[in-house]
Amino acid sequence: DAKTTQPPSMDCAEGRAANLPCNHSTISGNEYVYWYRQIHSQGPQYIIHGLKNNETNEMASLIITEDRKSSTLILPHATLRDTAVYYCIVRPPSGTYKYIFGTGTRLKVLA
Amino acid sequence: GAVVSQHPSWVICKSGTSVKIECRSLDFQATTMFWYRQFPKQSLMLMATSNEGSKATYEQGVEKDKFLINHASLTLSTLTVTSAHPEDSSFYICSARDWTSDRYEQYFGPGTRLTVT
Repeated sequence: DAKTTQPPSMDCAEGRAANLPCNHSTISGNEYVYWYRQIHSQGPQYIIHGLKNNETNEMASLIITEDRKSSTLILPHATLRDTAVYYCIVRPPSGTYKYIFGTGTRLKVLA
Repeated sequence: GAVVSQHPSWVICKSGTSVKIECRSLDFQATTMFWYRQFPKQSLMLMATSNEGSKATYEQGVEKDKFLINHASLTLSTLTVTSAHPEDSSFYICSARDWTSDRYEQYFGPGTRLTVT
């Protein structure tokens, strides 16, 4: 079973920040949090990942709570092209590093 | 960099026939590739882990004799759906990890849509 839970859907106005939460309360100390998104009928696209510290790249920011039981993906200025399903995944620290996808959040950016 | 391709992008086959889907890592080597299937409006479900030069590891409930996986080189894994039936119609997606990198994210292919008539 997936180790993450996310709200099924969210709306965001174009140009505003989109904040997507993820709960991973059973995460262990050396497991990473990864975020991907899937635009309709395409393969998932990597966005960002982190372990303990907050991370930022050209696509998004990742905020991980101090207890690591939850995280938030922030798209600072959402555009219509950000409409997608966003998946939060906990990556095991060793072995095959396989992903177990949860149900994800369907983000709809509104004009 | 880190591009994964799949072929074909879509395929229609008749019930009872077999169909092969290819997954290639174009600019990196992948000792491990993963195969997923996705039904409409559902999440990705991991089917199996494909290991170069050895047998694939299948997830619980996935029939290994129906979904044959071959990972004969560091850049190619194939999934063959044998004796396909309409219920096998789905979106099949592969992913790969660059084993030479210290980064662990998986790179996903664009997917293959299989329709069994």
